[in-house]
Amino acid sequence: QQPVQSPQAVILREGEDAVINCSSSKALYSVHWYRQKHGEAPVFLMILLKGGEQKGHDKISASFNEKKQQSSLYLTASQLSYSGTYFCGTDPKNNAGNMLTFGGGTRLMVKP
Amino acid sequence: DGGITQSPKYLFRKEGQNVTLSCEQNLNHDAMYWYRQDPGQGLRLIYYSQIVNDFQKGDIAEGYSVSREKKESFPLTVTSAQKNPTAFYLCASSLSGGLEQFFGPGTRLTVL
Repeated sequence: QQPVQSPQAVILREGEDAVINCSSSKALYSVHWYRQKHGEAPVFLMILLKGGEQKGHDKISASFNEKKQQSSLYLTASQLSYSGTYFCGTDPKNNAGNMLTFGGGTRLMVKP
Repeated sequence: DGGITQSPKYLFRKEGQNVTLSCEQNLNHDAMYWYRQDPGQGLRLIYYSQIVNDFQKGDIAEGYSVSREKKESFPLTVTSAQKNPTAFYLCASSLSGGLEQFFGPGTRLTVL
């Protein structure tokens, strides 16, 4: 079953913060975050593993609450380049083939 | 440079015709995937392959077929049995057991 992302869309001013949530009805082994610019391929952001630590890259970080089967992506001091659609992909078990189920996406627009 | 190539970028076909989408990677990845993306939607897995000459159905395999005769190549055929084939098709690859998927630029298929 597809994970649920919220909000579906968000508009920010440059420098503002945002949180994107990803919730699954299944127990999860890992959560994967990708960003896709319009008309382009998704680009990997980070992976959170069961039992792992909160990840971060520059001003984008994420957390994974295994008990609640939820993950959140935090964008701090947003930049224009952060605009795009963010997808979470969930893996309910450690599939060797990395068979992910993606959420419907959160569209983020950062304005000057 | 290593990467994934998909061709063509845009493809138009008449209803009832089969069409094959190309996907090639030179990353030496064992696993390869095909996803379908509809406007404003997330990614849905069509087929994936962990090794040469082996592949598994994803969530929406009906009306599609694949082959994996070489490690570098994973072509997708959209058959006339696919009820609504117009979509954006993305190919991806990853190391076996690896967690990060690398995506190609995609092929936008329009069936007239």
